[in-house]
Parts: sequence; structure tokens; C-alpha cells
Amino acid sequence: NAGVTQTPKFRILKIGQSMTLQCTQDMNHNYMYWYRQDPGMGLKLIYYSVGAGITDKGEVPNGYNVSRSTTEDFPLRLELAAPSQTSVYFCASRIGDWNTEAFFGQGTRLTVV
Amino acid sequence: DQQVKQNSPSLSVQEGRISILNCDYTNSMFDYFLWYKKYPAEGPTFLISISSIKDKNEDGRFTVFLNKSAKHLSLHIVPSQPGDSAVYFCAASARTDKLIFGTGTRLQVFP
Repeated sequence: NAGVTQTPKFRILKIGQSMTLQCTQDMNHNYMYWYRQDPGMGLKLIYYSVGAGITDKGEVPNGYNVSRSTTEDFPLRLELAAPSQTSVYFCASRIGDWNTEAFFGQGTRLTVV
Repeated sequence: DQQVKQNSPSLSVQEGRISILNCDYTNSMFDYFLWYKKYPAEGPTFLISISSIKDKNEDGRFTVFLNKSAKHLSLHIVPSQPGDSAVYFCAASARTDKLIFGTGTRLQVFP
């Protein structure tokens, strides 16, 4: 059982470039989340989704976009990369209730230069 | 506005002793709380949780206490082991489905 899979693991972007961070889960979870973790900081919620076709902003959504066309996939799009988006990005999923635990992927380390 | 706060960035404890990690929250709508453990270069892994209808939940060496009136929760690890050295995050969830994390506490357990 793969759980939550994120690709790529590492990426270096130039300022102004765009990219998509991929996240897929095979647990048939309805809820999915994107977080970023800056050095020495906690996990900040970027966007989340409670099901296919439904997305909502988290704490730090500016500069990002998401889509949820299937239950399995929740890609995160950076349109115009900025140095402030240098971070480690984590995707997570949980089954579909507010009172359950979330499962995390291994993370994507992104550097914008 | 930090809704979930962990005011101690680090904690150092001797092996065999108790580790107590603290977490405060500001949003009274939170009614489910979780603790996660994170090793370097890995994603966070779930440790233990507690619903707002309880004030204590225990799982082996790990116990979480919730004080709703103080908007405070704590994680107790007894006895602490070197393998417990990691960053610990508390998180809170409301029925809006958001899952909000704190800033983390780095625990070091030394022999």
C-alpha cells in the first residue's frame, strides 16, 4: 500500500518559472491537504480539498493554485516562482471525517533561485 | 494569526525520564487534537489524538491531556527513549475540515 506519494522529491526553480507538485493517494480518502514547512517553522496550510471538484484556501494560499479532478490526485501549481516559495511541501490525506488522522507524503524540497 | 502555538521550540530530556510537550490554541471551535512526530527528511507521522469530549487519552508510553477551559493540551512521553528524538507537532481540527498545525517542538532524548 503506497499511501500518499509526492513527486518530485527535490526541485530547483528559477524565479518566474512555474511547476506542478504532484500528490496522489491510493487510500480512497476524500480529504487532501497541502502544507509548506519553512526552516524552523511549523506546517502552514496552503490549500485543502474535501472531495473531487471542491477546493478551499488555507492559511497561506497566495502564489499557489490547486485542482481536484479525481479523488486520488491533488496537484499544487506554482505559476510564477519566487524565492519566498523556497520550502518543503507536504501533501496529506484523511478519510473523510474531521475527527480522523491525516497521512502525509514524504515531501518535496523546492528551492527557488 | 497563529491559532495553534507551541511556545517551546526545543526540549532536552534524559533517557528514562518524562518528556512533556505543550500546545496552546486560540480557536474555541477546535474539537479534535492530534500529535505528530517528524524525523528529518520524512513526512510527519501520526502519534496520538484526543477528542474534545475527553480530557485524557493514553497509548502505551504516550498520553495526551486536554484542558479545554485553558485551551491547552500536552503530550507526555514516559519513559523517554533516544528513538523519541524528533520534532513534535500538535494539530487541531474543527468541523470546517481544516487541519491546523503548530510550530513544532524539537525533542532531544540523551543517554
